[in-house]
Amino acid sequence: EADIYQTPRYLVIGTGKKITLECSQTMGHDKMYWYQQDPGMELHLIHYSYGVNSTEKGDLSSESTVSRIRTEHFPLTLESARPSHTSQYLCASGNVMMGEKLFFGSGTQLSVL
Amino acid sequence: KNEVEQSPQNLTAQEGEFITINCSYSVGISALHWLQQHPGGGIVSLFMLSSGKKKHGRLIATINIQEKHSSLHITASHPRDSAVYICAAYSGGGADGLTFGKGTHLIIQP
Repeated sequence: EADIYQTPRYLVIGTGKKITLECSQTMGHDKMYWYQQDPGMELHLIHYSYGVNSTEKGDLSSESTVSRIRTEHFPLTLESARPSHTSQYLCASGNVMMGEKLFFGSGTQLSVL
Repeated sequence: KNEVEQSPQNLTAQEGEFITINCSYSVGISALHWLQQHPGGGIVSLFMLSSGKKKHGRLIATINIQEKHSSLHITASHPRDSAVYICAAYSGGGADGLTFGKGTHLIIQP
């Protein structure tokens, strides 16, 4: 049912590398979100977008940046990865403000050595 | 900021048992989501409700707005129901108004 895709599924990289996590959806949703989840912990919102050229930071401070040049694409970039960035990153879309359900990607498990 | 608490944190049951997972929140909400997360991380939305009760197959979700409490029930549980179940409460104010619980890790043994 979900038409939201994240790549890569797993990523192991060294400290200092620049990385981009990809997220694409084919449902035409304006609203997209990035969440960070550590093992056994709750999801925290790190970035969101209400549409093309709209991006906002979430309640959890993050050194990552996002862009929204096309409706279907919402990539997340870390300019210089550090071990503290090791976590799972989940992309989602859907209008939670209008009481709609969320659609999630399968997540990217990032490990920074 | 809403605080969302789930109980139990971990639950192991035998196949066929009736399962109840609880979720309580501290601030009035406009919607509550129940999500299922399988090993490997993928999350699926099960229910979104703002009042009363919803049913889908063997899953039932209820909410009591006055008591700030929701429950997820699974009837005739099956090993394939093993997953982490997460509730998330939306209290308005934009995308950051959605607060997630830590999840209930459910294992159904054959």
